[in-house]
Amino acid sequence: AQTVTQSQPEMSVQEAETVTLSCTYDTSESDYYLFWYKQPPSRQMILVIRQEAYKQQNATENRFSVNFQKAAKSFSLKISDSQLGDAAMYFCAYREWSNSGYALNFGKGTSLLVTP
Amino acid sequence: DSGVTQTPKHLITATGQRVTLRCSPRSGDLSVYWYQQSLDQGLQFLIHYYNGEERAKGNILERFSAQQFPDLHSELNLSSLELGDSALYFCASSVAPSGSGFVVDTQYFGPGTRLTVL
Repeated sequence: AQTVTQSQPEMSVQEAETVTLSCTYDTSESDYYLFWYKQPPSRQMILVIRQEAYKQQNATENRFSVNFQKAAKSFSLKISDSQLGDAAMYFCAYREWSNSGYALNFGKGTSLLVTP
Repeated sequence: DSGVTQTPKHLITATGQRVTLRCSPRSGDLSVYWYQQSLDQGLQFLIHYYNGEERAKGNILERFSAQQFPDLHSELNLSSLELGDSALYFCASSVAPSGSGFVVDTQYFGPGTRLTVL
């Protein structure tokens, strides 16, 4: 099974600053999808951004962008102009593909603290 | 609001008991996925149903079972509960997939059911 590693259990950023969360994964597939999900204290899982492996261009959603390095199997999330509402657990996920299912394989998460 | 609903929000029960968690997918979504989030195991995939049929199994215990009904809602049944089954159980839904091909497929999560086994 593919593994997803988030090496930073906790990160801290000041409001309005930029922070980058790291994620690496292990796969032998050439086609796959990668996701970042946010889990605030409410525990709701919220999709932040999605990247298709076949696309060269890095995905961007407003203040959120990714740095996707396919050869290095790296998928980091950059949050610009951090806001207090960005404080949450962030999970990197790899979407497995098989003939029968499309399960998400999650990393352990990074807890992001945003300070005023 | 993702459009995925789960009931109940909280469930407290005793060891050895059986519970049923319910999930209603977003309108139009045919796939339902169940995940378990616990402190020691993190977020783990349990099972995937597509249009009433089981499509994939993950780390699901034999004491657990699920089904998807003709109206596409799904239930996760947990029996002979143990203390270690205490966790947050998420349901997610997506439109695809149905078979061959590589389909863009984003999973949207419900609010979860918090299960506490005493």
